[in-house]
Amino acid sequence: TQLLEQSPQFLSIQEGENLTVYCNSSSVFSSLQWYRQEPGEGPVLLVTVVTGGEVKKLKRLTFQFGDARKDSSLHITAAQPGDTGLYLCAGEFRSGAGSYQLTFGKGTKLSVIP
Amino acid sequence: GAVVSQHPSRVICKSGTSVKIECRSLDFQATTMFWYRQFPKQSLMLMATSNEGSKATYEQGVEKDKFLINHASLTLSTLTVTSAHPEDSSFYICSAGIMAGTPYNEQFFGPGTRLTVL
Repeated sequence: TQLLEQSPQFLSIQEGENLTVYCNSSSVFSSLQWYRQEPGEGPVLLVTVVTGGEVKKLKRLTFQFGDARKDSSLHITAAQPGDTGLYLCAGEFRSGAGSYQLTFGKGTKLSVIP
Repeated sequence: GAVVSQHPSRVICKSGTSVKIECRSLDFQATTMFWYRQFPKQSLMLMATSNEGSKATYEQGVEKDKFLINHASLTLSTLTVTSAHPEDSSFYICSAGIMAGTPYNEQFFGPGTRLTVL
């Protein structure tokens, strides 16, 4: 079983502050994806990281994949109320005969207070 | 980007009835579709993986006779919750995968279906 530990589970910060969400595993993933989910909706893909040590930026969001491809982080600079939501990391791994799956972390519920 | 729809978005049914949820990839063909279940304040749990034209692969602990999955085409998969009970109430989300091979495969998620069993 592939497990992803995501932390923190809850985060409430003031507008303008920075924050980091962590995703850790003892397993190696072929890729790692970050999603954002609004209440009552499906997850929306933010980014996919594939290469160990890879860093991707999406406006104020910076995503990093660990060198060993076992961990990842999401850093948000100068958080805005519009960043409020549930952030999920998901690791892709190959299972069985060539099939693949995503295993999800438990999510980080972020609240940005104006 | 790739769009996945789900229907219905919400359904309320009586205990003992069956409910069918449709998942469609609108602008691409998905070789693989996935069905997830999400309880309040929890993450997504994979229920089954569905490949077009073949039987679905169910995760451990998921009853295949209760959660019937049909993947008749590259753009449509259905999940039927048979003889639903209140404990089946949950948020069901499907995703459609583009199996591009290397270096990774992406899944695009539907908006989810809120099932409430009375």
